[in-house]
Amino acid sequence: SQQGEEDPQALSIQEGENATMNCSYKTSINNLQWYRQNSGRGLVHLILIRSNEREKHSGRLRVTLDTSKKSSSLLITASRAADTASYFCATDSFYNTDKLIFGTGTRLQVFP
Amino acid sequence: EPEVTQTPSHQVTQMGQEVILRCVPISNHLYFYWYRQILGQKVEFLVSFYNNEISEKSEIFDDQFSVERPDGSNFTLKIRSTKLEDSAMYFCASSERGQGYEQYFGPGTRLTVT
Repeated sequence: SQQGEEDPQALSIQEGENATMNCSYKTSINNLQWYRQNSGRGLVHLILIRSNEREKHSGRLRVTLDTSKKSSSLLITASRAADTASYFCATDSFYNTDKLIFGTGTRLQVFP
Repeated sequence: EPEVTQTPSHQVTQMGQEVILRCVPISNHLYFYWYRQILGQKVEFLVSFYNNEISEKSEIFDDQFSVERPDGSNFTLKIRSTKLEDSAMYFCASSERGQGYEQYFGPGTRLTVT
């Protein structure tokens, strides 16, 4: 079965630095979504990128998708302490299903 | 901005009891989902629901689980006889168009089974 795996598992940076998180998956997809989860809270949708897209931007977020490598990256530029959270990628399946398969997540800590 | 809401935020129940978790999806959305996250683990798909019927369910979603859309706004998950291993955060999600479109999640209900 397909599986999203993020790396690194944990990342600590200073405010103002950029944070890059990577996600790999195993099977063909239609789209990939990134979510943020503050400790013990709900999942906040950040961005969706489709399999025919290579890059997408939203504010300080930049997502890339390389379907040949079955990987995606999330870049947060000019990070803030409020960006401290866990970040997950979630993929659907190419085969006519809308369930999302979540990765293990990257825990990002941004120090002021 | 419209959002998915869930109640209660925290539910404590004894093993063997029935629980109903409630969700109000975003009003113009047609596709509804339940996921769960056991502490420290991945978010796992439970069930998807469209046009008043289950469209897909996972192996976790056994006969102890059921979903219902009792009216035009609520979407519920019932666990008939809770087990200790049902303790988890349960997330409801909704999507306007289903596959290929964003799924928006609620804040979750933390279920603790004692």
